[in-house]
Amino acid sequence: DAGVIQSPRHEVTEMGQEVTLRCKPISGHNSLFWYRQTMMRGLELLIYFNNNVPIDDSGMPEDRFSAKMPNASFSTLKIQPSEPRDSAVYFCASSINDGLGYGYTFGSGTRLTVV
Amino acid sequence: AQSVTQLDSHVSVSEGTPVLLRCNYSSSYSPSLFWYVQHPNKGLQLLLKYTSAATLVKGINGFEAEFKKSETSFHLTKPSAHMSDAAEYFCVVTISGGYQKVTFGIGTKLQVIP
Repeated sequence: DAGVIQSPRHEVTEMGQEVTLRCKPISGHNSLFWYRQTMMRGLELLIYFNNNVPIDDSGMPEDRFSAKMPNASFSTLKIQPSEPRDSAVYFCASSINDGLGYGYTFGSGTRLTVV
Repeated sequence: AQSVTQLDSHVSVSEGTPVLLRCNYSSSYSPSLFWYVQHPNKGLQLLLKYTSAATLVKGINGFEAEFKKSETSFHLTKPSAHMSDAAEYFCVVTISGGYQKVTFGIGTKLQVIP
């Protein structure tokens, strides 16, 4: 298995532009999580899906952020419009069940820079 | 509700000496506990996990952790540090059963001195 695959690895964009981050979870995993990591705030859970359904999106910072999971093998995190304070590393993780007993498998992350 | 406290933001050890990374948690229910490692510019990798089985948990790369309910601790140890252990380590707590937020500690950066 190739693990959790995120794309792109790096993204540099101008303020105001739309940014879409992509994630392919491990086949057979039914939970998917989006995290954001910054020096100031550490790791923050943004949203998680179980069986493609959003379960908890209370970590999504504001309406500029949206996430979708149209099927079991693909998820997107979109920021529109982007702002410099959105600069961070965004991680996607997947797990079996709800991640409590099995632990996550993380992707390598997308480093987003908004200038 | 649950929380996790990593007591040291930075730990520095000499190569070949023991490693101790401290983690305390609070949870209203029986917790599941994890340690993850993140090497520079990499994703997070699961080191080990406790899910109400044996209280002494062995993980990858020689790491282990002991769940102590009376002390609400889940400290990570390794008998002898290797240069490749230099990384950031995260303690994670969550509640068994149901859909809950998983709480990460702020992380401990381990420096290994040759």
